[in-house]
Amino acid sequence: GQNIDQPTEMTATEGAIVQINCTYQTSGFNGLFWYQQHAGEAPTFLSYNVLDGLEEKGRFSSFLSRSKGYSYLLLKELQMKDSASYLCAVMDSNYQLIWGAGTKLIIKP
Amino acid sequence: GAVVSQHPSRVICKSGTSVKIECRSLDFQATTMFWYRQFPKQSLMLMATSNEGSKATYEQGVEKDKFLINHASLTLSTLTVTSAHPEDSSFYICSASLGQGGPYEQYFGPGTRLTVT
Repeated sequence: GQNIDQPTEMTATEGAIVQINCTYQTSGFNGLFWYQQHAGEAPTFLSYNVLDGLEEKGRFSSFLSRSKGYSYLLLKELQMKDSASYLCAVMDSNYQLIWGAGTKLIIKP
Repeated sequence: GAVVSQHPSRVICKSGTSVKIECRSLDFQATTMFWYRQFPKQSLMLMATSNEGSKATYEQGVEKDKFLINHASLTLSTLTVTSAHPEDSSFYICSASLGQGGPYEQYFGPGTRLTVT
């Protein structure tokens, strides 16, 4: 079966750095997405990785290792507004998105 | 660019009635639209995929006669929850993409909170 694993909840301090991991087992791979979702709102796109390596976009970076079925989202200089759920989603061989359950990130002052 | 709207944002209806949710791509033509449901503290669950002018493809376990999807144009898809029951209360989210069968990004609408009393 297809499976996406990510931690349920993480806590970090304002101004710090946090890494949210995602491991996956899917039938085929056509890229991995990270989305941010604030409570009661729809997801917003953060990043897309299809090749191995690190993609940096401002305070957010995303890393992919296809051989390990592993990705992480790195958030630097955390702000209170970063408190949200972070969803990892993998596009399988049929170009269908397989969603993880999301990681709730709590930022403390 | 790539803005998707949903209407209504919140709806409360009585058990047994039907509710229609609209999803519009405002500044692009969406060949494919997706409908998701999300229960509290759970991940997005794909309900169906619709392509303009053709019948929607429903995921396993989703009743097509209960959740009617119409993708009438390249900018509009509607989801009608028929004979709603309290267990249908959920957050319904649509997304739109430029195509299917490729690494197309999905642009999400703001979601519709449905409460069935």
